[in-house]
Amino acid sequence: DTGVSQNPRHKITKRGQNVTFRCDPISEHNRLYWYRQTLGQGPEFLTYFQNEAQLEKSRLLSDRFSAERPKGSFSTLEIQRTEQGDSAMYLCASSFPLIGEKLFFGSGTQLSVL
Amino acid sequence: AQRVTQPEKLLSVFKGAPVELKCNYSYSGSPELFWYVQYSRQRLQLLLRHISRESIKGFTADLNKGETSFHLKKPFAQEEDSAMYYCALSGSGSSNTGKLIFGQGTTLQVKP
Repeated sequence: DTGVSQNPRHKITKRGQNVTFRCDPISEHNRLYWYRQTLGQGPEFLTYFQNEAQLEKSRLLSDRFSAERPKGSFSTLEIQRTEQGDSAMYLCASSFPLIGEKLFFGSGTQLSVL
Repeated sequence: AQRVTQPEKLLSVFKGAPVELKCNYSYSGSPELFWYVQYSRQRLQLLLRHISRESIKGFTADLNKGETSFHLKKPFAQEEDSAMYYCALSGSGSSNTGKLIFGQGTTLQVKP
């Protein structure tokens, strides 16, 4: 499968624990996005990278959230001291920058905080 | 404020009936508009974008700047069209970072 890959598919954790998700974009795509989706809502933008540079962060992204893309390839999203409100589907997408570019989404990581 | 509104959570039609999924937006500038679709147990994927002016799987969408709308239409619904549909916008030109703002989504249910 040459699409966007996300791991793990599911993560169950206890409140207060740290979690890390990984996203592997399509290889030639230099833009990478993280979104969060809760039940009954559309995806909400969290942050995006162009190559290794993090160019924009949403105000939704509290200090407990950090994202990296160290070599401009895969990216990680870490949530520290998880809260029950962090339970959501975390989606990654990648694209190649053209006008009207198309985002390719991964299958997501479903996080449940108990 | 940048916002996309899809007023219907669920739209249920019979096979062969026309479909119109509503989308209204608020954006200061000239946005790019998209429809994304998620079929059962599949990933979110692009259905169409307004700049392409294309018809995908029989769906079309016209950008109405006066009404700030981008409704998705299909003259004859098929059962395989049953899915979740999201309207989304991004900036254009130098404002185009590729970042999308999504609506809440509309579930289309096509009954046999």
